[in-house]
Formats: sequence, structure tokens, C-alpha cells
Amino acid sequence: EAGVAQSPRYKIIEKRQSVAFWCNPISGHATLYWYQQILGQGPKLLIQFQNNGVVDDSQLPKDRFSAERLKGVDSTLKIQPAKLEDSAVYLCASSFQASSYNEQFFGPGTRLTVL
Amino acid sequence: GDSVTQMEGPVTLSEEAFLTINCTYTATGYPSLFWYVQYPGEGLQLLLKATKADDKGSNKGFEATYRKETTSFHLEKGSVQVSDSAVYFCALKGTGNQFYFGTGTSLTVIP
Repeated sequence: EAGVAQSPRYKIIEKRQSVAFWCNPISGHATLYWYQQILGQGPKLLIQFQNNGVVDDSQLPKDRFSAERLKGVDSTLKIQPAKLEDSAVYLCASSFQASSYNEQFFGPGTRLTVL
Repeated sequence: GDSVTQMEGPVTLSEEAFLTINCTYTATGYPSLFWYVQYPGEGLQLLLKATKADDKGSNKGFEATYRKETTSFHLEKGSVQVSDSAVYFCALKGTGNQFYFGTGTSLTVIP
């Protein structure tokens, strides 16, 4: 079974530029998560989708971050404009359902460097 | 709010040594608890989980018991191997279905 795919794997941009990340979850997984992992810290949930609806985006900085999952399958996360403190690894994960009984599968992440 | 505090690293052990990585949590209600592992160059993987008090999660020789009275979920392994070298994350899923991760503990096992 194919895992969670993310692209690009690495991205370097200058502050105030825009950037977008793409995630394709495991086939059949209804729940999709985006996390931000700053160096030396644990992952922080940014947004959770159930199919194409947002379940939780309470920690998403909505003035600059946006995410969508239009057809309930793949998803994009956008930052516009980027700040230095956005440098982090952005992780996408998916699970069959949102229940605690369903394991989250993580993608390899996208490492963003903002100069 | 909900949170997880785990033992800071890095931890360096000799092969076959006993491992404990401490994890305590703060949560309202009855969270589910998890340990994730990140091997060098790979993504996060679920190692084990426990969904209610006194449950013991186990996998690959690792164990952790959900202790409600001490709000802890310490990770243990009786005899570590070089291949266990990785970063270990404790996490909880609260009643709001949001995941909270600890800061991670880096483990290096030397032959």
C-alpha cells in the first residue's frame, strides 16, 4: 500500500514570498492532518480535515496560512506571505477515520527554510 | 489546556541496556496516549498506544502503561539495540480530537 505522499521535500524561499505544499493521503483515508514541526519541538497540529470539511483549524495562523481539500482526497497548504519563523518541517498525515482507534500515517514532510 | 511533557534528551545507552523515557500529560477528560518513533531520514511512525487507564501498549519490545493516577505514560524497553536509535515522541489525543506532541527524545544506542 502506498504511503502518504508529500511534495516538495525541500523548499527555500525569501521572507514575504508565497509557498504551497501538496499532500496525497493514503487511498480511502477520510481524515487528513497538517502539522508544523519546528526544529527541536514536537509536531503542532495546524488543521484537520474530515473528507473535504475542516474539523479543527484552531491553531492555523489564518492571516497567512490557508489549506484546502476540495475533493476530499489530496490537500494543499499555502503560506502567504512567509515569515522567518515559518521555517519548519510541514508534515501531512492521514487516517481512516478521526477516532483514536485509527492510526495516523505520516508522510516524509516538507522542509521549509525562509531566508 | 492539554499538553505533554517528556524527558529531554539526548539519551545515549549501550546495547542491551534498559531504556526508560518519561512522559507525563495534562488533559481534561480521558485522552488516548501514544508513542511515535522517527528513525533517521524517515517519517513519524506509531510505535504503540493506549486508549484508557491501565491499558498497556506494546510493540517491538517496547511497552508503556497508561497511569491515570500519576498522569504518566513512560516508555520502556528491557534491552535496546542499535537499531532502536531514533527520536521518540509522546503524544495525546484529547476529547477535542486534537493531537498534542511532546518535544521528542533522541536515543542513540552504541554497540
